[in-house]
Amino acid sequence: NAGVMQNPRHLVRRRGQEARLRCSPMKGHSHVYWYRQLPEEGLKFMVYLQKENIIDESGMPKERFSAEFPKEGPSILRIQQVVRGDSAAYFCASSPLDRGKNTGELFFGEGSRLTVL
Amino acid sequence: GENVEQHPSTLSVQEGDSAVIKCTYSDSASNYFPWYKQELGKRPQLIIDIRSNVGEKKDQRIAVTLNKTAKHFSLHITETQPEDSAVYFCAASIPDLLYSGGGADGLTFGKGTHLIIQP
Repeated sequence: NAGVMQNPRHLVRRRGQEARLRCSPMKGHSHVYWYRQLPEEGLKFMVYLQKENIIDESGMPKERFSAEFPKEGPSILRIQQVVRGDSAAYFCASSPLDRGKNTGELFFGEGSRLTVL
Repeated sequence: GENVEQHPSTLSVQEGDSAVIKCTYSDSASNYFPWYKQELGKRPQLIIDIRSNVGEKKDQRIAVTLNKTAKHFSLHITETQPEDSAVYFCAASIPDLLYSGGGADGLTFGKGTHLIIQP
């Protein structure tokens, strides 16, 4: 059973370009979370999604950032017109949909490290 | 929303000694408290967790204690080894919110503790 898969692992963008980060949850998981980790800081919640539904985006910046989790395919975090302050590691995590199987643990991917030049 | 404070930000201990990391939380409804370990350049991984219906849980050299009244919980690592060097994050959540329609922000993390084991 493959874990949470994220790609790309590393992404370099120039200011003003777009960044797309992809996340495939673990098999059997239907909850997806995106977290941002700045150097020397903790993990900041951004958004929580289920298939075709954004449940909670209270941690997402209002502009330039969007997320989706389509019926088919991975979840995508999209950052438009990137700025240097967007440089960070972006982690995706998943958990099971089945309440009986959900212990509360989040399973993290290896992260996507975005560098904005 | 929930707010989790974690101390210290950096902890250096001699190999073989014990390490203690402390966290406080703000939302008395939180009932799940995991600890994640993140090695340099790697993903955070769960090492131990505790629920609000118990006060202490132990797994070999790692233990976690919870004081619901004071809203704080701690990670204890005994007989530290070089491979314990990493960043440790505490977190708090209300897992049942996922299913009650109340929305959820997943886990709220502390800012992390960089644990350094000195040989």
